[in-house]
Amino acid sequence: NAGVTQTPKFQVLKTGQSMTLQCAQDMNHNSMYWYRQDPGMGLRLIYYSASEGTTDKGEVPNGYNVSRLNKREFSLRLESAAPSQTSVYFCASSEVRAWVNQPQHFGDGTRLSIL
Amino acid sequence: AQSVTQLDSHVSVSEGTPVLLRCNYSSSYSPSLFWYVQHPNKGLQLLLKYTSAATLVKGINGFEAEFKKSETSFHLTKPSAHMSDAAEYFCVVSDPTFVDKLVFGAGTILRVKS
Repeated sequence: NAGVTQTPKFQVLKTGQSMTLQCAQDMNHNSMYWYRQDPGMGLRLIYYSASEGTTDKGEVPNGYNVSRLNKREFSLRLESAAPSQTSVYFCASSEVRAWVNQPQHFGDGTRLSIL
Repeated sequence: AQSVTQLDSHVSVSEGTPVLLRCNYSSSYSPSLFWYVQHPNKGLQLLLKYTSAATLVKGINGFEAEFKKSETSFHLTKPSAHMSDAAEYFCVVSDPTFVDKLVFGAGTILRVKS
């Protein structure tokens, strides 16, 4: 079972460079999410997509854009990378059923350093 | 708005002794609650979930958690720690009115001594 697959696993960028993080899930889930994880802060939601064709801002969307390419794929783009975006990025997916939150399934993360 | 507080940033136990990781939540509605575990350089794995059924929830690897509405708590326990339990643990809350959004605690790092 592949689950949620993220690429790349590691990346180093220079300030001002752009990059797209890729995420794909094979569980036929409707909802997908992008989080960033910073020490002592847990995970913070950047963007999410409740279904194919829709995206919404989360808690920390500034400096990022997303694309829900199809039901399987959800990408995160940094247009002009800044050192403050150095973090570990996680993609997740879940089913959504009315009034009951289902667990989210996570990828192994992308470790991104901005110099 | 919902929130979650993990009361300890680090917990250290000896192998074979009980584990207690504490979590308090704030929610305007009957929440869904989850515990996730993260091993080094890995993603998050679901340990257990509470969604208004039984208040004592059993999860994987011998972990369980008890939902106490009067105390707004959802503490994670395990009777006997194993070396493989060393990881970071996250308590997570969500409101049914925001079915797409989870709120994560800051995490508790569990160290298991031999």
